[in-house]
Amino acid sequence: EAQVTQNPRYLITVTGKKLTVTCSQNMNHEYMSWYRQDPGLGLRQIYYSMNVEVTDKGDVPEGYKVSRKEKRNFPLILESPSPNQTSLYFCASSPGQGRGYTFGSGTRLTVV
Amino acid sequence: KNEVEQSPQNLTAQEGEFITINCSYSVGISALHWLQQHPGGGIVSLFMLSSGKKKHGRLIATINIQEKHSSLHITASHPRDSAVYICAVRSYSNYQLIWGAGTKLIIKP
Repeated sequence: EAQVTQNPRYLITVTGKKLTVTCSQNMNHEYMSWYRQDPGLGLRQIYYSMNVEVTDKGDVPEGYKVSRKEKRNFPLILESPSPNQTSLYFCASSPGQGRGYTFGSGTRLTVV
Repeated sequence: KNEVEQSPQNLTAQEGEFITINCSYSVGISALHWLQQHPGGGIVSLFMLSSGKKKHGRLIATINIQEKHSSLHITASHPRDSAVYICAVRSYSNYQLIWGAGTKLIIKP
């Protein structure tokens, strides 16, 4: 089944403890992206990647890192999480311009 | 002013009613997407449009490029259609999406 897999679905962590949210797609999509969704603010892009080893900042990249060493994986790294990073996170992929997007199921992160 | 505006923000209707959700945008686009976010949080892509009209089951999406406006219609609405419907547009220059704030739809039995 074609899908984007995010893990974990739910995570509660403490301030400053490094964490990684994984994202993997099995559709050989070139484009991958991370979003966060907060009440009243909608979805905001954190980072995106046009292809392997090509990543760029979105609208709200502060406090986040990403890597794209292989086409299928695009992990989101929070080196030192803070409570303002408590949010619902989505990974998405697309085969390219002019094509649709497939979203992961979301990761609900709480930083205390 | 936001580049993508959706209306209404909230909509409550009775089962069976014809539903219309609107999306207006102010930038040049290469495509417009309609997505559905379920109460559990998952996001599903419904339509991608660059012109005209698309239909999938009870859902119909239209776009008027000249007027920079799109509508999502639901015929014979059902409580399972209750969700947040999000419009997003992709600018000419890159893959990046500009998101609307979403329309929360509740269909009562």
